[in-house]
Amino acid sequence: AQSVTQPDIHITVSEGASLELRCNYSYGATPYLFWYVQSPGQGLQLLLKYFSGDTLVQGIKGFEAEFKRSQSSFNLRKPSVHWSDAAEYFCAVGNAGGTSYGKLTFGQGTILTVHP
Amino acid sequence: EADIYQTPRYLVIGTGKKITLECSQTMGHDKMYWYQQDPGMELHLIHYSYGVNSTEKGDLSSESTVSRIRTEHFPLTLESARPSHTSQYLCASSRRGGASTDTQYFGPGTRLTVL
Repeated sequence: AQSVTQPDIHITVSEGASLELRCNYSYGATPYLFWYVQSPGQGLQLLLKYFSGDTLVQGIKGFEAEFKRSQSSFNLRKPSVHWSDAAEYFCAVGNAGGTSYGKLTFGQGTILTVHP
Repeated sequence: EADIYQTPRYLVIGTGKKITLECSQTMGHDKMYWYQQDPGMELHLIHYSYGVNSTEKGDLSSESTVSRIRTEHFPLTLESARPSHTSQYLCASSRRGGASTDTQYFGPGTRLTVL
């Protein structure tokens, strides 16, 4: 069965500092990988996704993520954090085929706090 | 960006009431999903549909039921609400066919409180 682990439940950074949120996955084949962001009381907004090709993917709001097959990781990065980035971030892995085609498995989320 | 709507956004209701959470999307997506999310926790898939008249139970057991009579509409019903049903319910949709169509787009969610 596929699974996603986000080791950091809560991260605090200063505005302007760099950010890296960790995500490790378990999946038998090449995974589809996603990062979503959720503001309080809101739904999830897609930041970026990886299906194939270039392992460094660019997303919205200045975020990027790198797929590393050897480490089963898909970490999210941003060079300079803005106060508006404070939210909860979810990593997810999707099924590429079979009976569970299209279903997503989510990690527990990482809450990001940004200090001024 | 997909247009997917959920109503109501917030609902406080007493035990034993029947409730229906509405979800509609205007993107013509074939696949639709319902997730349950407790505060500070991950999302758990409770129902999904790959098209009209297709519904399946998700990974997390739920007492709710769903229907898919129209492509754009995927309501979730609880026949008799209980305090254990208190949670946030998120609806999502995606297109069918091809790798890039697995991207799910989410509605704003319904926060349900059962007293």
